[in-house]
Amino acid sequence: AQSVTQLGSHVSVSEGALVLLRCNYSSSVPPYLFWYVQYPNQGLQLLLKYTTGATLVKGINGFEAEFKKSETSFHLTKPSAHMSDAAEYFCAVSPRAGGYNKLIFGAGTRLAVHP
Amino acid sequence: NAGVTQTPKFQVLKTGQSMTLQCAQDMNHNSMYWYRQDPGMGLRLIYYSASEGTTDKGEVPNGYNVSRLNKREFSLRLESAAPSQTSVYFCASSQSQGGTGELFFGEGSRLTVL
Repeated sequence: AQSVTQLGSHVSVSEGALVLLRCNYSSSVPPYLFWYVQYPNQGLQLLLKYTTGATLVKGINGFEAEFKKSETSFHLTKPSAHMSDAAEYFCAVSPRAGGYNKLIFGAGTRLAVHP
Repeated sequence: NAGVTQTPKFQVLKTGQSMTLQCAQDMNHNSMYWYRQDPGMGLRLIYYSASEGTTDKGEVPNGYNVSRLNKREFSLRLESAAPSQTSVYFCASSQSQGGTGELFFGEGSRLTVL
């Protein structure tokens, strides 16, 4: 069965610093990969996704993620954190066959950005 | 520009009571989903409906039932609520059935069972 592990339930960075949120998946076949963001008291919205092609994927708000098959990883980065990036971030996977978008989510990483 | 709308946003129940969470989407999506979110556990799929007229169990279906009323609406029912069902519930929809599509989420329904 597929699973997703997000290393670090809480990450704190200074404004302007690099953001790195880690995600590793467990699957015999590389799945589709997603990052979602949840702002307080809101639903989730898609940041970016990897399905095929270029392994470095760019998303909204300056975020990007790189799919590394050899490391079974899909880490999320942003060069310079902004106060508005404070939110909870979820990595998710979906099987390539018959998935019907049945996403499997990681436990989430709460990002705090301090001045 | 409503997207996915859930009602109610907040609900407090006593153990054993029943209730239905309503969800409607206006994006003409084929697939709809119910997730629950618990601290430290991410989101877990309860039920999904790949298309109108079909429903299937997800990861944590026990204690819940669903109805895909039409293409727009997908409801979640708790027949006899238990404290373990205290959670935030999210409805979502998507167009693609191929696993590559984006899920669009509602704002959530916060349920407390006493």
